[in-house]
Amino acid sequence: KAGVTQTPRYLIKTRGQQVTLSCSPISGHRSVSWYQQTPGQGLQFLFEYFSETQRNKGNFPGRFSGRQFSNSRSEMNVSTLELGDSALYLCASSLDPGQRDIQYFGAGTRLSVL
Amino acid sequence: QQQVKQSPQSLIVQKGGISIINCAYENTAFDYFPWYQQFPGKGPALLIAIRPDVSEKKEGRFTISFNKSAKQFSLHIMDSQPGDSATYFCAASIGGTSYGKLTFGQGTILTVHP
Repeated sequence: KAGVTQTPRYLIKTRGQQVTLSCSPISGHRSVSWYQQTPGQGLQFLFEYFSETQRNKGNFPGRFSGRQFSNSRSEMNVSTLELGDSALYLCASSLDPGQRDIQYFGAGTRLSVL
Repeated sequence: QQQVKQSPQSLIVQKGGISIINCAYENTAFDYFPWYQQFPGKGPALLIAIRPDVSEKKEGRFTISFNKSAKQFSLHIMDSQPGDSATYFCAASIGGTSYGKLTFGQGTILTVHP
């Protein structure tokens, strides 16, 4: 069974640009959560999608958005990039966290903003 | 109130020794406490998890101890091995539909010397 796949693995953008990251969950998983990982702030929750609906949201500005498609694949978008957005973006999928199902993480997309 | 505090930031242990990582939380609504292990270039992977109605849970060499009254929980790694060298994160989430939103500690870099 394939794991959580995130594409691309690495991305370089400049300030002011926008970026879209993709996450393909494990087959059958309906929930996808996104996290930002930085050396200073650690792992911070961005948002969670379940059955195409945003179910939980973290404390990030509106420049960070996401969506989930009917096949459970998810994308997150960051508009008007800032230097501080440089981070490893991780997505995690689970059958349904409401049942305390395990969240499986992908390897992440490393975004560098210049 | 959503914070989870983790210590120490780094830990060096000799092969065969015991590694102990501690976490403390404030929000009494947390009711699920997983530990994740992350190797360089990989996403976090679930190691072991506990609910507050249990004081201890053991899986192989890994044990979680939970003290509900003190709002603290810890990870013990017995007979530590060089292959255990990784970053460890404690986390917590609130029940119901918020299980998909994990609040992470800052992480502990564990180095096990052969």
